[in-house]
Amino acid sequence: NAGVTQTPKFQVLKTGQSMTLQCAQDMNHNSMYWYRQDPGMGLRLIYYSASEGTTDKGEVPNGYNVSRLNKREFSLRLESAAPSQTSVYFCASSDYRPPLPVASRMNTEAFFGQGTRLTVV
Amino acid sequence: ELKVEQNPLFLSMQEGKNYTIYCNYSTTSDRLYWYRQDPGKSLESLFVLLSNGAVKQEGRLMASLDTKARLSTLHITAAVHDLSATYFCAVGRRQLTFGSGTQLTVLP
Repeated sequence: NAGVTQTPKFQVLKTGQSMTLQCAQDMNHNSMYWYRQDPGMGLRLIYYSASEGTTDKGEVPNGYNVSRLNKREFSLRLESAAPSQTSVYFCASSDYRPPLPVASRMNTEAFFGQGTRLTVV
Repeated sequence: ELKVEQNPLFLSMQEGKNYTIYCNYSTTSDRLYWYRQDPGKSLESLFVLLSNGAVKQEGRLMASLDTKARLSTLHITAAVHDLSATYFCAVGRRQLTFGSGTQLTVLP
């Protein structure tokens, strides 16, 4: 049972180059997420997708695009990489599905991939 | 906008001692999660707290949630070196908002 799988694990880009980070989950989860982690700042949400075919911006979406290819896969694209995008990127998935009743005990915890360490020079 | 604050951000403690990490959040939420992260690794789920008054325990760690006070605590009992890691709380339903993390170092 692989859980959430991200590729690649490491990447170095030159400023202005583009790349796509791939993410796949095998837990049949509805929701998928992309976070970035920078020192001292916790994790910040870039984009998320509550279902196949839908995506929404998170806290820090500028400079990124996403595609929810199917229920399993959620990719993150950097069209023109900048040094400020040097970070560790995590993909995650959860069983969240709207609408979720107020007193619901449904577990919507997020499960994380192993991360992609991206350096933009 | 939901804000999540953890304190302390850095914690060094002796083996065998007890301590508590605090997580405050700014808007109403019925659920809160605690994660652990080892250096260079991903996040591992520790606790899922889904209601006011929820208390969960695993080994030397115990987490609780007070939704009225918008406060969760992670209590460490008789710390051991293996607990050295960064601990994050996260709040939300559709999407999680994370605190900045507490870097815990347990000294022999």
